[in-house]
Formats: sequence, structure tokens, C-alpha cells
Amino acid sequence: SYELTQPLSVSVSPGQTATITCSGDKLGDKYVCWYQQKSGQSPVLVIYQDTKRPSGIPERFSGSNSGNTGTLTISGTQAMDEADYYCQAWDSGTGVFGGGTKLTVL
Amino acid sequence: EVQLVESGGGLVKRGGSLRLSCAASGFTFKNAWMSWVRQAPGKGLEWIGRIKSEADGGTADHAAPVKGRFIISRDDSKTTLYLQMNSLKTEDTGVYYCSSMIVGGNTIDHLGQGTLVTVSS
Repeated sequence: SYELTQPLSVSVSPGQTATITCSGDKLGDKYVCWYQQKSGQSPVLVIYQDTKRPSGIPERFSGSNSGNTGTLTISGTQAMDEADYYCQAWDSGTGVFGGGTKLTVL
Repeated sequence: EVQLVESGGGLVKRGGSLRLSCAASGFTFKNAWMSWVRQAPGKGLEWIGRIKSEADGGTADHAAPVKGRFIISRDDSKTTLYLQMNSLKTEDTGVYYCSSMIVGGNTIDHLGQGTLVTVSS
């Protein structure tokens, strides 16, 4: 079955750029979405179709996808961005989530 | 504003059944594909399945761990999504999120607040 691999944790200082990766076989041939889940809350879509931001998502969130790696970038990271982040893609009609990355803003 | 409100969660014994409902509003439900996503305690997100709109055939796809035990259905007249869960296992314990796929491109764009299902042994 298809797998998406994310780092368990990423740390960043306030104001710096956070980068979270998502790896999968030929992932660049698929669309990648990214979800933010803050403690005790439901997940929220922050990036879809690799690079698009839903309405209401700050411009500091951006995405890219090429080769075997999708990337979520948070520029000028704020304390409010501390959360778990999940990538998601589809493979043969089946939805697949990455294991999640805990972003800590130190 | 998209609203997805799940109900029907609770405590059930292993081998039992439960039906979850999701009341949807704020968008044209009959045109939307819908999904269920779950999250075991302290774990990550897991896609359970998806149902297409009636216009696209209305068929449902289920993830391997629940195939043959869970059934996703919809009632467009009630703008409600369902998840029938049979032969429940302890590993089915978790929060179940109803989710919409409105923007297209197979994007799961909104998730509800979730309902907790606990399967006891």
C-alpha cells in the first residue's frame, strides 16, 4: 500500500521559516494537501492541490510538490502555528495520510 | 459557512454495531463528494472512505481496514452522511470526522468536530 512519510517533529524559532516534508513514491505525480491540527481541535485544510491556499489561510503558508517530496513552508512562523501537520494524497482511489509532524515554535 | 455535525458516537462492545450520522449545511450537499476520516487516541489521521455524488454515480470506496465491515451512505434529501459500522474491533476506537469535498480535485476541505467511538473488549 502507498505510504507518506513525514518527520516526527520540527522546531522553529518565532519569525523564522519552518519546512515540513512529506515523502512518497512519485508523489510529484499526485496532488498533495496539508492539514493543521491544533491540540484538541479538528484538522483544518491549509494547502490543497500542492500550492493553493483556502480562503482565510494566511499567506505565510505555502506548498510545493516535486519528485518524491511535497513540502509545506511556513514563513515568519508565529506561536499560533504550533500544531500537528498532516500531508495527504490519493493513490488508486484510496486516501492516504502521512503520520504527522509536530511543529514546535520555540 | 460549511457546517458538518456528527452524531451517534458512544461506547459499544467488540463485535457490535454503530451508525454515525453527519448533518451537513452551508453548501450544495447533493453535488459534493464526502469522506469519513478517523483518529485513534494520540495517533494520526486515517482515511476511512469516500462516497461520490449521485450525479457521479453515488458509489462508495472504503479503506482496506474497514472494507466489508463499514458502509458509507448518503441521503441527499436530508443532507446527511452516514457511516454504518459493523463487527467493531477495539482498534476502531477513535474520533470520527465527517468531511466534505467541495472544492474539487479530490480535496477533503472541511472536517466536522468529530464524534468519539469507543469499542470495549
